[in-house]
Amino acid sequence: ETGVTQTPRHLVMGMTNKKSLKCEQHLGHNAMYWYKQSAKKPLELMFVYSLEERVENNSVPSRFSPECPNSSHLFLHLHTLQPEDSALYLCASSRAQGEAFFGQGTRLTVV
Amino acid sequence: DAKTTQPTSMDCAEGRAANLPCNHSTISGNEYVYWYRQIHSQGPQYIIHGLKNNETNEMASLIITEDRKSSTLILPHATLRDTAVYYCIATSGGSNYKLTFGKGTLLTVNP
Repeated sequence: ETGVTQTPRHLVMGMTNKKSLKCEQHLGHNAMYWYKQSAKKPLELMFVYSLEERVENNSVPSRFSPECPNSSHLFLHLHTLQPEDSALYLCASSRAQGEAFFGQGTRLTVV
Repeated sequence: DAKTTQPTSMDCAEGRAANLPCNHSTISGNEYVYWYRQIHSQGPQYIIHGLKNNETNEMASLIITEDRKSSTLILPHATLRDTAVYYCIATSGGSNYKLTFGKGTLLTVNP
């Protein structure tokens, strides 16, 4: 148990669906991250929020839309995804400098 | 962030020390060295980090060379549960803090 909780753990969605991934932390951290891990590939940093402002966006397609309403919650809104978007989506949080704590991830399958 | 280079894979016998090397020859003075590991299909787990001095915690020891161009993560008594991909990351703090993962080293601990 890392203190970072992701829901759901597994998600199957069609290409025309809209769904959201949720991440929650109560560790007092002020930075939160979304990573994508495709099969047999390194983790890819998607978005970084620091003090609830997006500070990093690594050219992620617009079908992925992050939202950080407060320092404890982070969402990733998904719409019109493609099968190649199937992956493990990981959320993490940290202070500005220090160890990051990761959630267990959401295993997403797009059919 | 400085580029890091790690061997693709390593083996270690159970109960023996596992020494995982990392090269970061272009590291700058304000960049820390972080180590994480990822057990299959789980979120990465923080292990240890350091700037100049050697560090030790309940999980591992981190040895950083005097010129800071390389480091070694030491698991003093490897167990089967230490089988994982180990990532070495160099990053600075503050607004530039982010964790960019490479391919890491797959450590296999054998009985």
